[in-house]
Amino acid sequence: QSVLTQPPSVSGTPGQRVTISCSGSSSNIGGKTVNWYQQLPGTAPKLLIYNSNQRPSGVPDRFSGSKSGTSGSLAIRGLQSEDEADYYCAAWDDSLNGWVFGGGTKLTVL
Amino acid sequence: QVQLVQSGAEVKKPGAAVKVSCRASGYTFTGYYIHWLRQAPGQGLEWMGWINPNSGDTNYAQKSQGRVTMTRDTSITTAYMELNRLRSDDTAMYYCARASSVRGVISYWGQGTLVTVSS
Repeated sequence: QSVLTQPPSVSGTPGQRVTISCSGSSSNIGGKTVNWYQQLPGTAPKLLIYNSNQRPSGVPDRFSGSKSGTSGSLAIRGLQSEDEADYYCAAWDDSLNGWVFGGGTKLTVL
Repeated sequence: QVQLVQSGAEVKKPGAAVKVSCRASGYTFTGYYIHWLRQAPGQGLEWMGWINPNSGDTNYAQKSQGRVTMTRDTSITTAYMELNRLRSDDTAMYYCARASSVRGVISYWGQGTLVTVSS
């Protein structure tokens, strides 16, 4: 049981826009920022979004993040086949004094 | 460029211990924290704890406390994670990752080390 809640799966067709939600609480997302990671099959996670809405250099601007209250959201526009991966949200949790993650969302590009 | 290179896959029996290494390069080793995380097969990510390579200070997730020890050797810019009294549910890919601080963004990840616990 993950501390942050994500939908297990989402899907879309090439060119579409999809969003992935991440629900937390006041001890994590509510008082902190959200980070998002992309994990391609058989590889280590890669930082996609940090501080809720910032993109590291090299990440396409098709990826964007937002936060409202105790929830975060990742949006991917102009969906491409190479976006097919697992996506994880993460936030620092003051109560647990550690990093907590969502259970991951598998994105399928139809 | 920043690189974190981990040691190879391990197969251990229940009750044994495993020590995974993480060699850092491309940056000042003592200037960034190393976090350890793991991912059981087909499951999500679980944070295990951190070590400050400069001071050697550590903090472990409650679930890991009592069985995990994180250390470092600054002379060879390498961090270590040792897990004792292994159980079958410790079978997972173990990752080291770099962050600017305890609560800083975990940005760079090692390639992962698969630890299999089986009798």
